[in-house]
Amino acid sequence: EADIYQTPRYLVIGTGKKITLECSQTMGHDKMYWYQQDPGMELHLIHYSYGVNSTEKGDLSSESTVSRIRTEHFPLTLESARPSHTSQYLCASIGRLNTEAFFGQGTRLTVV
Amino acid sequence: AQSVTQLGSHVSVSEGALVLLRCNYSSSVPPYLFWYVQYPNQGLQLLLKYTTGATLVKGINGFEAEFKKSETSFHLTKPSAHMSDAAEYFCAVSPSGSGNTGKLIFGQGTTLQVKP
Repeated sequence: EADIYQTPRYLVIGTGKKITLECSQTMGHDKMYWYQQDPGMELHLIHYSYGVNSTEKGDLSSESTVSRIRTEHFPLTLESARPSHTSQYLCASIGRLNTEAFFGQGTRLTVV
Repeated sequence: AQSVTQLGSHVSVSEGALVLLRCNYSSSVPPYLFWYVQYPNQGLQLLLKYTTGATLVKGINGFEAEFKKSETSFHLTKPSAHMSDAAEYFCAVSPSGSGNTGKLIFGQGTTLQVKP
């Protein structure tokens, strides 16, 4: 059973608001990732981290930012939400000796 | 650059029939290969993976997949579909060996419908 948690599960927010999507894992994994999934579409990597104080942008350009101050925590922030940010955001992690990614339940974000 | 192609965005089978979901990848060296399943409003759950060794891999819920290097394919099969198999299925790859970053490249997904 994977122990990776995302909150909130669902969020409806107005344009211009600042939001933070939370992702935490209790497995001690070094590598963490954020993927964006538009409805009925494939997932695209938007951010990743290989450890504390390490963050990189992924293949899909995103206006969001991330931080990694603690191993277990990898929050994603949107400074000013727009309707184009409406999507599902999935967090994942991988252990040092592992090859498979464990995913959280996702946050479905709607910006109105 | 690596890429993944899933043939057929929608597949419909009858309950008890064979399930075949196709996945082809493009990579200069054989990557790690994965199949994930996603139920509505859920995250992704790993069905099975190929890293090294036996090319026929068995996963959860009766699914299996065969890595065919010559065909750059990793098709997912299940002998007998169950209603509970209805979901979205994603094939994914990541660089193998020392180049493994854990970053996944996904196919566009296949929606499996199971008819009674």
